[in-house]
Amino acid sequence: GAVVSQHPSRVICKSGTSVKIECRSLDFQATTMFWYRQFPKQSLMLMATSNEGSKATYEQGVEKDKFLINHASLTLSTLTVTSAHPEDSSFYICSSVRGTQETQYFGPGTRLLVL
Amino acid sequence: GQQLNQSPQSMFIQEGEDVSMNCTSSSIFNTWLWYKQDPGEGPVLLIALYKAGELTSNGRLTAQFGITRKDSFLNISASIPSDVGIYFCAGPPSGNTGKLIFGQGTTLQVKP
Repeated sequence: GAVVSQHPSRVICKSGTSVKIECRSLDFQATTMFWYRQFPKQSLMLMATSNEGSKATYEQGVEKDKFLINHASLTLSTLTVTSAHPEDSSFYICSSVRGTQETQYFGPGTRLLVL
Repeated sequence: GQQLNQSPQSMFIQEGEDVSMNCTSSSIFNTWLWYKQDPGEGPVLLIALYKAGELTSNGRLTAQFGITRKDSFLNISASIPSDVGIYFCAGPPSGNTGKLIFGQGTTLQVKP
């Protein structure tokens, strides 16, 4: 399967700071990538669609000013959690799509803990 | 909106037993995907189904795309301890957005 990497795998930060998470598509160029968050024992919740060279599309209820997404190249999308608060603590997972296929390949996830 | 209902929610089985889980929807899906998520990891694609009635195997795993396009099942034969994890079904909602809808997941525990 396709390889998608995320960095960092775990991060602990103080409340009020910003955290950047990188998602890289290693096997293929991805014009579209997705960002999800997952709470314990729950399913994945789509946050936003990251489009290379254009603005991200956010799902209803997701604050675009709080979760900044940048998709500057065909292999890299970044998610920045700005002014993080304890309730932002979660597991953040990205995925990439190869061409026009509907199959998504997921990164290993980033565990964020905000103190 | 479109939803995927996955069952059972959890299973606790003995090593060597076969496992079956399914996913249903009130609306039609043109693709069904099955993922497995290990604790602290991202989901890994197990099987992708693109055609109604399609039956596809991947080792001890077998999945079928229901002919009504409203359901899919995943079978695991002769379970082993490393099968432990959460299994998700997923499918693209209508509108060709590239997004996926996920089921609630089936948590599988295997007793050695």
